[in-house]
Amino acid sequence: DSGVTQTPKHLITATGQRVTLRCSPRSGDLSVYWYQQSLDQGLQFLIQYYNGEERAKGNILERFSAQQFPDLHSELNLSSLELGDSALYFCASSAGGGNQPQHFGDGTRLSIL
Amino acid sequence: GDSVTQMEGPVTLSEEAFLTINCTYTATGYPSLFWYVQYPGEGLQLLLKATKADDKGSNKGFEATYRKETTSFHLEKGSVQVSDSAVYFCALSDFGAAGNKLTFGGGTRVLVKP
Repeated sequence: DSGVTQTPKHLITATGQRVTLRCSPRSGDLSVYWYQQSLDQGLQFLIQYYNGEERAKGNILERFSAQQFPDLHSELNLSSLELGDSALYFCASSAGGGNQPQHFGDGTRLSIL
Repeated sequence: GDSVTQMEGPVTLSEEAFLTINCTYTATGYPSLFWYVQYPGEGLQLLLKATKADDKGSNKGFEATYRKETTSFHLEKGSVQVSDSAVYFCALSDFGAAGNKLTFGGGTRVLVKP
């Protein structure tokens, strides 16, 4: 058990819809990261938050947004969903930056029908 | 930009065989290097890490040495078990002003047969 909790585990929805993925980091971790895992793109970094502030942005679409709340949990919002958004979305957390390893949740599997 | 290249799988082995998964990287700074493992239906678990040149990371019988001169971080295990069947990801973290995201290789699926 990594200590990172993601909900829901599975999400099935239709094109054009909006969903919210939730992540609770390990106790004491200030950084939260979101990654997308798909068959064609592999594991891609989306965005990082550190103590409530956006720290780094990767290959995140404009239709996607995220935030980290004062209690350090994070949400990833995906809107105007397309078939190609079907993927496994992982959240990871770490104590801070530098050489601290990231610990991953079990992911949310998003299926767009 | 940063990139990680690892050997494509699947790699199929018999129990007690020697496992090597090659990983090379390109980075502009001085990255930390990681191996993560993903078992079926689960998230990624940190297997081992190395933060500077010549460091050796080790865990559960797996080892990898940070080789700056060859920009490599190959994963090895002397005697694999069926329970080692999983997908293995090599990754780097190049901490800087742009945060410390992980850049992953494509993953190598390993199947160990009894």
